[in-house]
Amino acid sequence: AQKVTQAQTEISVVEKEDVTLDCVYETRDTTYYLFWYKQPPSGELVFLIRRNSFDEQNEISGRYSWNFQKSTSSFNFTITASQVVDSAVYFCALLDTGRRALTFGSGTRLQVQP
Amino acid sequence: ETGVTQSPTHLIKTRGQQVTLRCSSQSGHNTVSWYQQALGQGPQFIFQYYREEENGRGNFPPRFSGLQFPNYSSELNVNALELDDSALYLCASSSGGGVSSYEQYFGPGTRLTVT
Repeated sequence: AQKVTQAQTEISVVEKEDVTLDCVYETRDTTYYLFWYKQPPSGELVFLIRRNSFDEQNEISGRYSWNFQKSTSSFNFTITASQVVDSAVYFCALLDTGRRALTFGSGTRLQVQP
Repeated sequence: ETGVTQSPTHLIKTRGQQVTLRCSSQSGHNTVSWYQQALGQGPQFIFQYYREEENGRGNFPPRFSGLQFPNYSSELNVNALELDDSALYLCASSSGGGVSSYEQYFGPGTRLTVT
């Protein structure tokens, strides 16, 4: 069975601080796909990134970066110079390729204080 | 490009009643998935529809059922509502082929309250 663990329930930082959200996953698949989603107070899940297990390079998109470590089964998300607009719940997810279903972690609530 | 839309936004029902939630997929997407998100938890997969057929199902009882229409829109029906069915119901759409089809794009959700 697949599992995603986000051990950090809530993180509070002051604007301009860097923050890392942790994600640990479990799967028996040799090829797998990981995702990060952002859920602002409005409730809509916003797609941030898809990561394939066979990709070698880490991703950077503006202030966002993702660190994929197969050896530790982790896919961590870092926000550099956080802003108040980054305040949201962030979910890490793993795709069940058989059912095309996402298995989500329990989420990390990020609060960025001005 | 039109995103995923869901209706209604909010709904209040009484235990034992039936409810239908609706979803229109993003343009160009032919696959729709439904998720239930209880308060303070991550979304849980209910089922997925592709070409008007159920393509996969999570651990939800048969009183959760769905439909997909030729225009790829979808409905989620829940019979015999229970208090624990109170949640945010999220619809997601994706395209049919290739690795990029694994990316699911979500609608704003329908908040269902069962009293």
